[in-house]
This record gives sequence, structure tokens and C-alpha cells, in this order.
Amino acid sequence: DAGVTQSPTHLIKTRGQQVTLRCSPKSGHDTVSWYQQALGQGPQFIFQYYEEEERQRGNFPDRFSGHQFPNYSSELNVNALLLGDSALYLCASSTRDTAGKNIQYFGAGTRLSVL
Amino acid sequence: SQKIEQNSEALNIQEGKTATLTCNYTNYSPAYLQWYRQDPGRGPVFLLLIRENEKEKRKERLKVTFDTTLKQSLFHITASQPADSATYLCALPPLSGGSYIPTFGRGTSLIVHP
Repeated sequence: DAGVTQSPTHLIKTRGQQVTLRCSPKSGHDTVSWYQQALGQGPQFIFQYYEEEERQRGNFPDRFSGHQFPNYSSELNVNALLLGDSALYLCASSTRDTAGKNIQYFGAGTRLSVL
Repeated sequence: SQKIEQNSEALNIQEGKTATLTCNYTNYSPAYLQWYRQDPGRGPVFLLLIRENEKEKRKERLKVTFDTTLKQSLFHITASQPADSATYLCALPPLSGGSYIPTFGRGTSLIVHP
């Protein structure tokens, strides 16, 4: 049973460029969330997708956008990259079990460096 | 808004000792609390969930306590090993019923010395 997979693992971009990160959820999961994690900080929620719709969004500008496909995989797009966008981008999948525990299953992340 | 506090300083202990990590929260009465482990350059991995009506939860060498009066959870690793070295994050469930997103603390780094 494959867990959450993310690609690419590392990425180097320059300011002003655009980037697309990809995520495949754990088998049986229908919900995908994206997080940004700066060095020494906890994961910060960007947005969540369920049934191909953005269900909830964190405090991130609209330079950050996403998409979920019918097979539940997801993309995170960031436009007009800033130096401050350098971080580890984590994808997490979940499914609301009957207890509603909201356990997040994370991928290994994409390390984005903006120069 | 809810606030989660974890000690930002790394915890250094000797192998075989018990490690104790703290998670404090304010402005919130969560129904449960989660603990995750994160290794460098990797995503967090879920370890344990403890509910508000549970005082203590155990899993192998791990023990979590939850004091809703003190608004604090303690995470213990007994007989610690160098392989336990990692960052440990606590997470609270959504503040509002319409949200599905846990809020994470910044984590505490644990370093177990052989």
C-alpha cells in the first residue's frame, strides 16, 4: 500500500518564476491538504481539497493555488515566487473516519529553494 | 485564536533515560490532541492521539498525558535510544466545527546521546 508520494523532491527556482508541485494521496484517501514548513517551524496550512474543490484555505496569498483531480491526486502552484517562499512543502492526505480524528498522513515533501 | 506552545530549545538526554516533551495550549478546549514525529527533510508521522476524557495513553515506549485543567500534554519516551532523535510536534484539532485542519506546534527537537 503506497503512502503519500510527492514530486519532485527538490526544486530550485528564481524569483518571479512559477512552480508546480504534485501529490498522490494514500490509497483510500479522498482529501488532500498542503502545508508550508519553514526551517524550525511547524507546518502551516495552505489549503485543502476534497471532491475536486478547495474546501478550506489558510492565510496564504492567491499566488498559491491548487487543483485536485478525479483520482484524488493534487497539484500546488505558486506564481511570482519570492525568496520567502523557500520552504519544505508538505502534502497530507486524510479521510474523515467515523471518530473524526483528522489524522494527517504526510508525504516526504518537496524542498523548494528560491534564489 | 488558539495558540500552541512547544519548547523551541532542543532537549538533549542520554540513552536509556526518559525524555519528556511539553505541549501547552491557550484559548482552546480541544476534544483531543495528536503527537507526530518528524525526521529531518521528511514529513511528520502520526504517533498517538489522546482524547480529553483520557488522562494517559501508551504505545510501546511512548506515553502521553493530557491535563485539560493545566491545558497541557506531556509526551514521554522511556528507555530512549539514539534512533528516537527527531522533532516531535503536537497538533490540536480544528477550533471550529466546520474546519478539518489540525493546527501544529513548532515542535521540539529531541537528541538522544549514546
